[in-house]
Amino acid sequence: SAVISQKPSRDICQRGTSLTIQCQVDSQVTMMFWYRQQPGQSLTLIATANQGSEATYESGFVIDKFPISRPNLTFSTLTVSNMSPEDSSIYLCSVAGTAIVDTQYFGPGTRLTVL
Amino acid sequence: GENVEQHPSTLSVQEGDSAVIKCTYSDSASNYFPWYKQELGKRPQLIIDIRSNVGEKKDQRIAVTLNKTAKHFSLHITETQPEDSAVYFCAASIPYNFNKFYFGSGTKLNVKP
Repeated sequence: SAVISQKPSRDICQRGTSLTIQCQVDSQVTMMFWYRQQPGQSLTLIATANQGSEATYESGFVIDKFPISRPNLTFSTLTVSNMSPEDSSIYLCSVAGTAIVDTQYFGPGTRLTVL
Repeated sequence: GENVEQHPSTLSVQEGDSAVIKCTYSDSASNYFPWYKQELGKRPQLIIDIRSNVGEKKDQRIAVTLNKTAKHFSLHITETQPEDSAVYFCAASIPYNFNKFYFGSGTKLNVKP
């Protein structure tokens, strides 16, 4: 499976600011996703990062709040904008090799705390 | 869209006993069912998966069964060990939905030594 890294691993931010999280894969992958996992909860899909086009957002998530970039097949960023304490969570990227049903592998996550 | 329900939310077993976690799904088009194990502070790790053309799959102490008619699938862990303690998530995926996973709510397994 692919080696996936995320930066930063954790951060503490002030409300009203923005944070950009990076996800890097050591090989080209077709699909990249961004999830949020609040403490003690399951994984909630934020969006699918599409290479060369706008991300596809799930219900309840909007581009203005969570802009996503995917400039190539190995890299994506998620920005959490105008943060509030409710955004405190773990953010995970995941990757899959094909557009057809296939296993997703997760990055190590970014633990975000908003004060 | 797909809805995945997972039970129980917590499970406590004695070391050496078996543990069973059950999930149901709503969309009969779902055809891929992975299970992830997440230890505290770590990323979810795939432990086993099953596709809809198979009824059962086994990997050492872990097995997954799938009943397409009833739309449920289960994770079985035999001879549990303390290192099996973690949160387990099931998921379902629909082929026309470009690899989107629908996750269950998770089961916290505690294996008591």
